[in-house]
Amino acid sequence: GENVEQHPSTLSVQEGDSAVIKCTYSDSASNYFPWYKQELGKRPQLIIDIRSNVGEKKDQRIAVTLNKTAKHFSLHITETQPEDSAVYFCAARGRDDKIIFGKGTRLHILP
Amino acid sequence: EPEVTQTPSHQVTQMGQEVILRCVPISNHLYFYWYRQILGQKVEFLVSFYNNEISEKSEIFDDQFSVERPDGSNFTLKIRSTKLEDSAMYFCASSEGGGPDYGYTFGSGTRLTVV
Repeated sequence: GENVEQHPSTLSVQEGDSAVIKCTYSDSASNYFPWYKQELGKRPQLIIDIRSNVGEKKDQRIAVTLNKTAKHFSLHITETQPEDSAVYFCAARGRDDKIIFGKGTRLHILP
Repeated sequence: EPEVTQTPSHQVTQMGQEVILRCVPISNHLYFYWYRQILGQKVEFLVSFYNNEISEKSEIFDDQFSVERPDGSNFTLKIRSTKLEDSAMYFCASSEGGGPDYGYTFGSGTRLTVV
């Protein structure tokens, strides 16, 4: 089945700087890659997703890139703000159709 | 915006007791899922359900677990004899379709505490 690796596990960036979180996946048939933001005690919230027919997608300060050959995908947050502090999970939906999550990255935005 | 609703938000139970976690998926969704998240860890897949039967289940989903869609709107997860290690946040999710064009919508979760 699909296996998703995510790093770093913790990331601290100065407010206003950019944050990058990277993931790899194992199932070459995976074709849907969502990113979730989870605040303490709350549900994972979808913030952006990308499908395998595109290499990059942007939504305001958030962008995601996908390299299918290398089986890498990344989340980029620019001009970080205090409210970006949360745990971010990458995920992949493989041939067996279920979404598998990475272990999460705890992002701290420093004042 | 349509939501997936889960009840209760928090359940405390004695070890060995049965619990039923309830979910109301979005009304036009056809695929249903349960995930769990032990405190501080990643979200783990438990089971997927489509067309009134289990599509797939993980190794976590052993004989103590069962799912049911009793009335066409609710989707329940039952744990027959809870163990301490079942303490976790349980998330229900639903999806309009099963392919790559469809994402999940997660419910707000049920925090299960087994004492």
